[in-house]
Amino acid sequence: DAGVTQSPTHLIKTRGQQVTLRCSPKSGHDTVSWYQQALGQGPQFIFQYYEEEERQRGNFPDRFSGHQFPNYSSELNVNALLLGDSALYLCASSPQGGFPYFGPGTRLLVL
Amino acid sequence: AQTVTQSQPEMSVQEAETVTLSCTYDTSESDYYLFWYKQPPSRQMILVIRQEAYKQQNATENRFSVNFQKAAKSFSLKISDSQLGDAAMYFCAYRSILSTSGTYKYIFGTGTRLKVLA
Repeated sequence: DAGVTQSPTHLIKTRGQQVTLRCSPKSGHDTVSWYQQALGQGPQFIFQYYEEEERQRGNFPDRFSGHQFPNYSSELNVNALLLGDSALYLCASSPQGGFPYFGPGTRLLVL
Repeated sequence: AQTVTQSQPEMSVQEAETVTLSCTYDTSESDYYLFWYKQPPSRQMILVIRQEAYKQQNATENRFSVNFQKAAKSFSLKISDSQLGDAAMYFCAYRSILSTSGTYKYIFGTGTRLKVLA
């Protein structure tokens, strides 16, 4: 079991660009959540996907959007990147209502 | 709104000694879950220990144990016989129980960096 995998591991973008991050959940998990972890901070919940729908959302603007595919994998899209979007983006998968297993994260740097 | 506070940005412990990391939280709910996660430089968030609020008995997991004081809304982590591999960021987290719509809140503290001295 490969656990939760994320790609890419690192990414550098410039302000105004768009980025897509990818996550494959742990085998048997059908729910995917995304978190943003700024440097020196704890993770902050962005949103959660279950049955290909966004089920709940944290306090993030509409520039942050996502998608879940029939195989439960997920994408996080961020449009019109700002310098403040630089962070570690963590994906976590779980069985519905269960406790999350985290991936290794994608480090995004916006210049 | 629920909050999680970790007031120790950094702690140090001598190898083989014991260290306690502090966490306080605020909630109006009576049932919830509390967690301690470890995040080493590899960035992978690893679950260390979990406590269900309805259980009075403190959770233990090998060298890791918690002191859960529900009335005081305190949830500290004790690491016994500290090892070099314990060096990492430690995050305290709160999770609400499932709502009727199947959603919940997951809130993390700001973390405590633990250094283990040889």
